[in-house]
Amino acid sequence: DIQMTQSPSFLSASVGERVTLSCKASQNINKYLDWYQQKLGEAPKLLIYNTNNLHTGIPSRFSGSGSGTDYTLTISSLQPEDVATYFCLQRNSWPDTFGAGTKLELK
Amino acid sequence: EVQLVESGGGLVQPGRSMKLSCAASGFTFNNYDMAWVCQAPKKGLEWVATISYDGSSTYYRDSVKGRFTISRDNAKSTLYLQMDSLRSEDTATYYCARSELIAGWDYWGQGVMVTVSS
Repeated sequence: DIQMTQSPSFLSASVGERVTLSCKASQNINKYLDWYQQKLGEAPKLLIYNTNNLHTGIPSRFSGSGSGTDYTLTISSLQPEDVATYFCLQRNSWPDTFGAGTKLELK
Repeated sequence: EVQLVESGGGLVQPGRSMKLSCAASGFTFNNYDMAWVCQAPKKGLEWVATISYDGSSTYYRDSVKGRFTISRDNAKSTLYLQMDSLRSEDTATYYCARSELIAGWDYWGQGVMVTVSS
């Protein structure tokens, strides 16, 4: 199975700050990388699919980039409602596998 | 509006069975593959099983193969997960998710908790 490693595990940032989360795959995943946001007690919500495509209704402050094994989720200006855990998911190779998550909190 | 609503969770003893359901609405259910994903307490997400749009193909993670069965009733727009020979390590919140061809697992239910304990 492809291993997905997210960093950092925990991040504290201020409102308005630019935030970057990373996800590294154990092998090339050909940009089949998605990002999810999970707030406490809620279901995961798709933010970005296939590296850089914003899902319906997701604010434009979220963006994604990357290729090969290295991928990034950027929040251009952190908002209070962005407090959540963020997971990456690779869909290049069966079985689909998730990263362990980055927990984002407000400073 | 796409909605997925899981039901059927609760407390079950090791070795016993439980069946989860996921009622879908707001989209043409029989056009989409569907999946179950689990999340153990304070842990990450793990894919459990997938079923094709017409039910003809199913896929399972190794740890549940032979114990869990994913199925669907397209006439009722409902997805199921039959879980047999349950183990303590199956304790998790189980989510159903819709699989879209391009966007992947694009909508999820709110989840249902399954606790396997004596």
